Amino acid sequence: SAVISQKPSRDICQRGTSLTIQCQVDSQVTMMFWYRQQPGQSLTLIATANQGSEATYESGFVIDKFPISRPNLTFSTLTVSNMSPEDSSIYLCSVELAGETQYFGPGTRLLVL
Amino acid sequence: GNSVTQMEGPVTLSEEAFLTINCTYTATGYPSLFWYVQYPGEGLQLLLKATKADDKGSNKGFEATYRKETTSFHLEKGSVQVSDSAVYFCALKTGGGADGLTFGKGTHLIIQP
Repeated sequence: SAVISQKPSRDICQRGTSLTIQCQVDSQVTMMFWYRQQPGQSLTLIATANQGSEATYESGFVIDKFPISRPNLTFSTLTVSNMSPEDSSIYLCSVELAGETQYFGPGTRLLVL
Repeated sequence: GNSVTQMEGPVTLSEEAFLTINCTYTATGYPSLFWYVQYPGEGLQLLLKATKADDKGSNKGFEATYRKETTSFHLEKGSVQVSDSAVYFCALKTGGGADGLTFGKGTHLIIQP
């Protein structure tokens, strides 16, 4: 397995501002993923982040709203831009290890007022 | 596209009861199947997985068998405990490492003493 940490663990933000979420993993991994879990809902994939290339976004998510960086094999950031209350969610990063298994970070709980 | 359908909760059982949480899927190709669990206040954890037809995943007394003919991956446990109270997510993954997981909506399980 992998040890994954996220910062911040939670935040309360004002609408119109941006928040950058950091994800750190204790080993080098090729693929990192970002998910959103809206209140009472399931997890939805936002994008896949591969080191050295542009992130690949799922339908309904765009780079201008959710820019992602992947500067090395152990770290990634997700920015939630120009936030609105609808962005209030838990944001999770995950990594894929051998056997197609994904391991998840603890999540960042975001509340937008 | 891919989709996962699981029974919606909450599901309330008494301690030592038999548990079944149904999960069916639609996928292109031959997916790998997963059950994840989210205990109160904790992050998402892998519970078990199966990567090909007729495989049985098992962990902590939970089992699920990959049934290709019925496109199902039902989660079972013979005797549940209060500590099993959590939200359970069925998920699938197709393709190579670039693909994220597709999740069901989650089933909230409540075990009463």
